[in-house]
Amino acid sequence: AQTVTQSQPEMSVQEAETVTLSCTYDTSESDYYLFWYKQPPSRQMILVIRQEAYKQQNATENRFSVNFQKAAKSFSLKISDSQLGDAAMYFCAYRNNNNDMRFGAGTRLTVKP
Amino acid sequence: DAGVIQSPRHEVTEMGQEVTLRCKPISGHNSLFWYRQTMMRGLELLIYFNNNVPIDDSGMPEDRFSAKMPNASFSTLKIQPSEPRDSAVYFCASSPRANSPLHFGNGTRLTVT
Repeated sequence: AQTVTQSQPEMSVQEAETVTLSCTYDTSESDYYLFWYKQPPSRQMILVIRQEAYKQQNATENRFSVNFQKAAKSFSLKISDSQLGDAAMYFCAYRNNNNDMRFGAGTRLTVKP
Repeated sequence: DAGVIQSPRHEVTEMGQEVTLRCKPISGHNSLFWYRQTMMRGLELLIYFNNNVPIDDSGMPEDRFSAKMPNASFSTLKIQPSEPRDSAVYFCASSPRANSPLHFGNGTRLTVT
């Protein structure tokens, strides 16, 4: 089974600064999809950004961008100009064409004013 | 689009009782997933359905857990008998196709005393 590893249980960032959350995954497949989800204290799971493995260009969504390194099986999330509302748990997720979707253990992000 | 609807939002029950969690996926989505979230184990995939058919239930912890999807608009996750270690937040999610992100419900927080 595919595994997703988030090696940083907790991270903190100063408001307006930039932070990068790490994610690695293990797979033998060449076609798959990667996602970052945000879970605030309300416990909603909110999609932040997605990346198709066949695309070389890194995805961006406003202040959020990814660094996708397919050979290294790495998929990090960069948050620029951090805001207080970015404080949450962030989950990296992997999905294959068989529909299976797996999540990492999560990284708790704290934003300091 | 009402999103994925889960009920109840909170459930408190005594050990040994039967618990039924309910989920209504987004109309038109052909995949449905049940996850369990705990502090210790993070987000665990319990089971998922494609076109109402269970595809992978290897994450279902024990025979006490069962899931059904009698039609495209409804699914249940049942625990019988419930135990204190089943206490967790249970999420239902749906997706229109394999390369799409999952849309999550707001979860059911289950407490078994």
